[in-house]
Amino acid sequence: QVQLQESGPGLVKPSETLSLTCTVSGGSVSSGSYYWSWIRQPPGKGLEWIGYIYYSGSTNYNPSLKSRVTISVDTSKNQFSLKLSSVTAADTAVYYCAREGATTTTNWFDPWGQGTLVTVSS
Amino acid sequence: SYVLTQPPSVSVAPGKTARITCGGNNIGSKSVHWYQQKPGQAPVLVIYYDSDRPSGIPERFSGSNSGNTATLTISRVEAGDEADYYCQVWDSSSDHPVVFGGGTKLTVL
Repeated sequence: QVQLQESGPGLVKPSETLSLTCTVSGGSVSSGSYYWSWIRQPPGKGLEWIGYIYYSGSTNYNPSLKSRVTISVDTSKNQFSLKLSSVTAADTAVYYCAREGATTTTNWFDPWGQGTLVTVSS
Repeated sequence: SYVLTQPPSVSVAPGKTARITCGGNNIGSKSVHWYQQKPGQAPVLVIYYDSDRPSGIPERFSGSNSGNTATLTISRVEAGDEADYYCQVWDSSSDHPVVFGGGTKLTVL
């Protein structure tokens, strides 16, 4: 059974870079059947897709965040990572990593990590 | 970009049937997925491909999709079903392909 676990600082200063890592167990990020995604949820609000990466390194990002987001994968560690630069208070959220199943016409997220709260504050 | 519209809240008595809608332009032409999120927990996929259930999801959860509305139906509602529910689609024509609905809070009376 695949499990995902986020890790990283819970507090980031404004204008700095948020960095999170997702460790995958029970499965491989090198599986060609899935994408590996980041999704966030501001406190009390809905879900926002950030982007995904394929094991080959190809990525797709939310256009509203694209200029600040980098997602990378480390197949040797079975991990993938998120970097979000120039953060502001609006980036305060619970950040989830998830496995993304996809076909040519649709995608879905299953399973999800437990999530990690990142607060942007000085 | 594509927009999914959900009612902010739905209330239902225990043992009754809850229906949560997800509206979108010609959503019937897309595959809709549903997630359940209990307080303080990560979302869990409960329906995918409009009406399929992942293993471990009770048969009480079902889905349908036609026209401009997709519906998540929960039969014989239990107190443990109280949660936020989100619909999601993939909009291949958009540069913002992953779309979530705003979420519906299901309250069990």
